[in-house]
Amino acid sequence: DIQMTQSPSSLSASVGDRVTFTCRASQSIGSYLNWYQQKPGKPPKLLIYAASSVQSGVPSRFSGSGSGTDFTLTISSLQPEDFATYYCQQSYGTPRSFGQGTKLEIK
Amino acid sequence: QVTLKESGPALVKPTQTLTLTCTFSGFSLSTSGMRVSWIRQPPGKALEWLARIDWDDDKFYSTSLKSRLTISKDTPKNQVVLKMTNMDPVDTATYYCARVVGQQLVTEGRYYYYYYMDVWGKGTTVTVSS
Repeated sequence: DIQMTQSPSSLSASVGDRVTFTCRASQSIGSYLNWYQQKPGKPPKLLIYAASSVQSGVPSRFSGSGSGTDFTLTISSLQPEDFATYYCQQSYGTPRSFGQGTKLEIK
Repeated sequence: QVTLKESGPALVKPTQTLTLTCTFSGFSLSTSGMRVSWIRQPPGKALEWLARIDWDDDKFYSTSLKSRLTISKDTPKNQVVLKMTNMDPVDTATYYCARVVGQQLVTEGRYYYYYYMDVWGKGTTVTVSS
């Protein structure tokens, strides 16, 4: 099975900051990487698919990059509504797998 | 508009079998390429992928839970059912179903098909306790 590792596990930042999350796969997964945002008590919301394609309706401040084993999600200018937990998920192999999440908190 | 809704018991006893139903609208599992996955999340913990069923009735399971899971579909009813046997308190979690769709994109000059969970249900909370 493919293991997904996210770092850091938590991150403190301020409104307006540029923030980057990292996700690493245990083997090469090409660009088969999705990013989700989850707020407390809510289901995850798809942000990015295929490593860098932004889902319709997602603000342009969200971007994704990477291929192979190393991936990043960047928020260019943090907004108050962006404080949440972010998960990566590989869609290369079955079973699918998620990272353990990065919690973004207000500084 | 695509919607999914999970339903099932809120409380099950240890060793019992959990049966969850995902009822969806706005798409059909008879459509080529369509898929539905189940994912769970224990309180305060990360998401865990459980199972997936495809339009052609292919089924896939979590390696660690494979012996306990069964996924099935009722296409005319627009439902996907997940059964999990021998429930334990560690299975206490919110269970989600999600639609999986694919898109063909060009990467480095070649076409690839990428799948992702684009619409999720709100989840149903299951507690395992005697």
